[in-house]
Amino acid sequence: EAGVTQFPSHSVIEKGQTVTLRCDPISGHDNLYWYRRVMGKEIKFLLHFVKESKQDESGMPNNRFLAERTGGTYSTLKVQPAELEDSGVYFCASSQGDRSSYNSPLHFGNGTRLTVT
Amino acid sequence: AQTVTQSQPEMSVQEAETVTLSCTYDTSESNYYLFWYKQPPSRQMILVIRQEAYKQQNATENRFSVNFQKAAKSFSLKISDSQLGDTAMYFCAFMKGRWSQGGSEKLVFGKGTKLTVNP
Repeated sequence: EAGVTQFPSHSVIEKGQTVTLRCDPISGHDNLYWYRRVMGKEIKFLLHFVKESKQDESGMPNNRFLAERTGGTYSTLKVQPAELEDSGVYFCASSQGDRSSYNSPLHFGNGTRLTVT
Repeated sequence: AQTVTQSQPEMSVQEAETVTLSCTYDTSESNYYLFWYKQPPSRQMILVIRQEAYKQQNATENRFSVNFQKAAKSFSLKISDSQLGDTAMYFCAFMKGRWSQGGSEKLVFGKGTKLTVNP
């Protein structure tokens, strides 16, 4: 089966610009997560979709970040306007059904490396 | 809030030897799960091993095993017979139990340990 794919793999933008990251989960996976790793720091949870609904968005840093998952398939994460501190690697992950993440482990994408200059 | 600490930013080991990566965590929960994830260079992060907090027996997956000390809140990873392909970033992660108050599916990660296996 195809894995979780993320696009683009790298993005370099200027402060104030807009960037949209895309994640295609494994087909049939209802759960989709976004995580972010800022250089030298922990990987931090951003939000969790179950199908097209936001189950938990407690990790979204501010209203410059907008995540969508129309139709419950792929997801986009838009940053508008981007700030320097948004630089980092954005990971997407997916898992099956409504089972706990313990029993249905996460499948991660390769991540999108975002650099804001 | 839960925190996960990996005190070793980098480690190295000779091929075929054994190495232990440390992880401690802080939580007031009694029901939770612990994970070790591995991210090889330029590749996807994958699950190495997982442990349920209520299970006293340490999890084992082939050459990978954990030493889970619940009272000490310690969850170290032992890699036996290290191989060149074990070179990667290793992340320890915590997840609150689904049925805990405010239980969530989100993982709390440590900063990671960069492991290099030398030939």
